[in-house]
Amino acid sequence: EAGVAQSPRYKIIEKRQSVAFWCNPISGHATLYWYQQILGQGPKLLIQFQNNGVVDDSQLPKDRFSAERLKGVDSTLKIQPAKLEDSAVYLCASIKLGTLTSDTEAFFGQGTRLTVV
Amino acid sequence: ELKVEQNPLFLSMQEGKNYTIYCNYSTTSDRLYWYRQDPGKSLESLFVLLSNGAVKQEGRLMASLDTKARLSTLHITAAVHDLSATYFCAVLRRNRDDKIIFGKGTRLHILP
Repeated sequence: EAGVAQSPRYKIIEKRQSVAFWCNPISGHATLYWYQQILGQGPKLLIQFQNNGVVDDSQLPKDRFSAERLKGVDSTLKIQPAKLEDSAVYLCASIKLGTLTSDTEAFFGQGTRLTVV
Repeated sequence: ELKVEQNPLFLSMQEGKNYTIYCNYSTTSDRLYWYRQDPGKSLESLFVLLSNGAVKQEGRLMASLDTKARLSTLHITAAVHDLSATYFCAVLRRNRDDKIIFGKGTRLHILP
């Protein structure tokens, strides 16, 4: 079974520039999460999708961050314009949330490490 | 609001010793996860705990769940250097908002 794919793995941009991250979840996983992990901290949930609908985006800085999950599969997370404090690893995770207890394991991608200079 | 607290946040210990990491959470949950993260790497799933009294073991690591106390523990037996990493617990509220919320992590350093 293929895992959660993310790209790019690394990105360096100047402040005020724009950047986009891509995530392809595990096939059949309806729920997708984007997390921001600042160095030395735990992952912070930014946005949660169920299929192509947003379930929760209360922690997403909507003045500069946006995300979409067209067709309920791949997802993109965009930052425009970037600030220095956006430097972090952006993790995508997917989960099936089916009726089987085994369906509740969450799988994480390798992450995109963003450096804003 | 669901809050997840881990302690300790930092732990330095000698090889061969035993220790326990604690994870407390603020509301009822449905799944409790333990993940390992090595520097510069993503999250590796260690355990998924489903119900009160659940205990799972893998090698020198054992995780348990007490849903009444809203407490999970990760016990390390006879630590070895290879277990040095950051360990996170996370909580899923199934069929409510399906959020997965993480603790701040425990940075474990095992001295040879």
